[in-house]
Amino acid sequence: NFMLTQPHSVSESPGKTVTISCTRSSGSIASNYVQWYQQRPGSAPTTVIYEDNQRPSGVPDRFSGSIDSSSNSASLTISGLKTEDEADYYCQSYDSSNQVFGTGTKVTVL
Amino acid sequence: QVQLVQSGAEVKKPGASVKVSCKASGYTFTSYYMHWVRQAPGQGLEWMGIINPSGGSTSYAQKFQGRVTMTRDTSTSTVYMELSSLRSEDTAVYYCARESGVVVNAFDIWGQGTMVTVSS
Repeated sequence: NFMLTQPHSVSESPGKTVTISCTRSSGSIASNYVQWYQQRPGSAPTTVIYEDNQRPSGVPDRFSGSIDSSSNSASLTISGLKTEDEADYYCQSYDSSNQVFGTGTKVTVL
Repeated sequence: QVQLVQSGAEVKKPGASVKVSCKASGYTFTSYYMHWVRQAPGQGLEWMGIINPSGGSTSYAQKFQGRVTMTRDTSTSTVYMELSSLRSEDTAVYYCARESGVVVNAFDIWGQGTMVTVSS
């Protein structure tokens, strides 16, 4: 099994941009799609990015996703930060037999 | 509307078993795989396994092999997750999550979560 490693926390002021990385430990990040989930305290996760860079309907275009094969990582970028973006964010991918979640990143809007 | 409604919180003693239910509504139950994911207090998300509600086939994360059983009842559109030989480390919120019919291996609908507390 592979692992997905994220920074423990990031913080930034309202209106700024944050980028969260998700590094795959083995196997290519490009071999399987990456999803990103937002989880607010006391709530179930919701999808903000699927298939590396696609946004579900209803998710603002301030959220964007990408992958970088050179660093074997995926990234979630949140621009124009709002206080409502304060939450935990998890990347997720899979292989032939398992689903794997990232370690999670707490985003704090100062 | 499409929703997954889970059973209520449970308190169990070490060594016991727990069975959590997840009732689906608003869509064709047998057309979407269902996963179980858990989250220990203050920790991240952990995938436990998957069930195909159509045929009942399952696949479990290696960590839970031998301790977890996922079943379904098509007459009530309900999936179940039973975890046995409980220990304190199993204290967590357990979620059912539907696999998207459009995006394979992604979760689009989640239950509200069921808190399972293991304590003597």
